[in-house]
Amino acid sequence: GENVEQHPSTLSVQEGDSAVIKCTYSDSASNYFPWYKQELGKRPQLIIDIRSNVGEKKDQRIAVTLNKTAKHFSLHITETQPEDSAVYFCAASTAPYGGATNKLIFGTGTLLAVQP
Amino acid sequence: EPEVTQTPSHQVTQMGQEVILRCVPISNHLYFYWYRQILGQKVEFLVSFYNNEISEKSEIFDDQFSVERPDGSNFTLKIRSTKLEDSAMYFCASTLEASGFQETQYFGPGTRLLVL
Repeated sequence: GENVEQHPSTLSVQEGDSAVIKCTYSDSASNYFPWYKQELGKRPQLIIDIRSNVGEKKDQRIAVTLNKTAKHFSLHITETQPEDSAVYFCAASTAPYGGATNKLIFGTGTLLAVQP
Repeated sequence: EPEVTQTPSHQVTQMGQEVILRCVPISNHLYFYWYRQILGQKVEFLVSFYNNEISEKSEIFDDQFSVERPDGSNFTLKIRSTKLEDSAMYFCASTLEASGFQETQYFGPGTRLLVL
C-alpha cells in the first residue's frame, strides 16, 4: 500500500544552523507533497508544498526539493530559530485527473529541537 | 483568515458509548476529510467526503464509523460503539478543490477523544 517514510525521527540543531528532513514515498503516482508543522497539542499547519511538475520551491528560510526518479523529497530550514521547534510531518498525495479524493499519506514525523 | 473549527475540543467517554465529533469546514470548500492521530504517532487518513457521499475510506474506517453532512455547514464523524483503541486526536480537514490539481488541506484544531 501507499507509504511515506521520514527521517530522522528527532533532530537537534543549534540556533542559526540548517535542518534537513527527508522523506521517501512509495506510490509513483503521487504528485503533491506538503509539509506540515505541528506544535504540541495543536493542529498541523501547512508550511510549504510542492507539486510534481517542479523540482524545488523556496519560501524565505524554508525550501523543499523533490526527486521524482528516486521518490524522495526533503525539507530544508536555514538559519533555524527556537520558534522552529516542533514536529514536522511530510505527506504525499495523488490526484488523478478528473476528480480525486487526494487523501494525504503522512510520514512518521520529525521532532525538531532548536537549541538557543 | 477562515479556519476549520471543531467541537468539542475534548471528549471523554465510556467504552461502548457513541460519540459524535463535529466540524465546520471553511465555507466555500467542497472536499472534507477526517484524520486521526494516536498520541505520539503520525496522522492517519480515515475518510474523505464529497458531494454528500464518501469518496474514499481507509481500513480504520470500519462499520463503527460514519460521516454525515447534516446541513450546509457541519460535517460530523460518528463512532457508534467506542473502543479503547479509538482514543486519539481527530482532525477534520477541508479543501476547495481536488480535481486534477491539488489544493491545500486545512486542518481544524482537533478533538481529543479519550475512551475509558
